[in-house]
Amino acid sequence: GIQVEQSPPDLILQEGANSTLRCNFSDSVNNLQWFHQNPWGQLINLFYIPSGTKQNGRLSATTVATERYSLLYISSSQTTDSGVYFCAAYNNDMRFGAGTRLTVKP
Amino acid sequence: SQTIHQWPATLVQPVGSPLSLECTVEGTSNPNLYWYRQAAGRGLQLLFYSVGIGQISSEVPQNLSASRPQDRQFILSSKKLLLSDSGFYLCAWSLTEGQDYGYTFGSGTRLTVV
Repeated sequence: GIQVEQSPPDLILQEGANSTLRCNFSDSVNNLQWFHQNPWGQLINLFYIPSGTKQNGRLSATTVATERYSLLYISSSQTTDSGVYFCAAYNNDMRFGAGTRLTVKP
Repeated sequence: SQTIHQWPATLVQPVGSPLSLECTVEGTSNPNLYWYRQAAGRGLQLLFYSVGIGQISSEVPQNLSASRPQDRQFILSSKKLLLSDSGFYLCAWSLTEGQDYGYTFGSGTRLTVV
């Protein structure tokens, strides 16, 4: 099956800093999503981005399907951005990476 | 618009007791439905998925079972819970024809088996 690897596993930032999270996947996929899991466990859909670039406020994502990776950019980070960010790359059944745990300090 | 409901939010059950978690989707028909489990705060594992009423596929052998008695209802069950069944259970849905919108998750059930 498709393997999804995320890096870094942990990231600590000072409020206001920018960051880039990476997702590599082992095979061609038709679908890719980025999620944020908040401290209460809720999984929030950030982007559905099988290819190209999307932006939503301070967040943006780029997927280069031919090179099998996706990047999530967080600019001007806030403490509310803390949590775990998951990438899921899939054709049929969604398979998750292990996540990047982001901590934003005030 | 589509919504997904999952309950209960938290559950503490003794070892050997039965389990029933329910998930329902509103605002769409014939969705694909999924049950995931998350242990230790990271990593989601697909447990079951369903493409239609009565159609259940299992990803891993386990103490749990799933059923889909209605188009938009997905139930996760166990006859006798084990300590290892503790975790955070998430239900999700996706469109069957194309997945232009990806998956949407419910708010989860935190199960503690004592």
